[in-house]
Amino acid sequence: EPEVTQTPSHQVTQMGQEVILRCVPISNHLYFYWYRQILGQKVEFLVSFYNNEISEKSEIFDDQFSVERPDGSNFTLKIRSTKLEDSAMYFCASSDPVRGPSYEQYFGPGTRLTVT
Amino acid sequence: AQKVTQAQTEISVVEKEDVTLDCVYETRDTTYYLFWYKQPPSGELVFLIRRNSFDEQNEISGRYSWNFQKSTSSFNFTITASQVVDSAVYFCALSEQGDSSYKLIFGSGTRLLVRP
Repeated sequence: EPEVTQTPSHQVTQMGQEVILRCVPISNHLYFYWYRQILGQKVEFLVSFYNNEISEKSEIFDDQFSVERPDGSNFTLKIRSTKLEDSAMYFCASSDPVRGPSYEQYFGPGTRLTVT
Repeated sequence: AQKVTQAQTEISVVEKEDVTLDCVYETRDTTYYLFWYKQPPSGELVFLIRRNSFDEQNEISGRYSWNFQKSTSSFNFTITASQVVDSAVYFCALSEQGDSSYKLIFGSGTRLLVRP
């Protein structure tokens, strides 16, 4: 069964460094999302991406964050200058264009980001 | 504004007991979608069910059942004859048709511990 993949599974970085989290959504999906989950807390929406542009972003998604679909398969989240509070699990998700974005979002296994 | 409330932070039961996880939502949309996701200790998010606002039929899938009541804005989840493998954090989530991105708004989750 097709699945969303994310790399790396765990990233440790120093405060102020740039990180890029990578996701490969399911191949025919067209709606893409990033969510984050601070340890022990709920899952929070960061940004949605459709038709090669951001369709919505949350208040968390400030100028330090950016997303890109550099080719036909990857979907990346970049944090320009990491802060301690960016430490969290980051989930990528995608949904099926035929059934529509209101249907199930398929989540990747997550990247645990630790900022020291 | 949309909101999902899971008032039960943690529930502990003994194996074979039945357990109900509560979910109450708020939305101004007439068309919306409700979801349950399971997050086992390994951390991934596993889709369990999706319900649209026009379908109030209860659903049963094996030991799992869901009770959707628009009158009380609730979408509760019952596990019958719980098993140790059911131990996880369970999230209820909402998305709205009026939201172009169909982002998921998650509740804070209920941690279920099933003891042998």
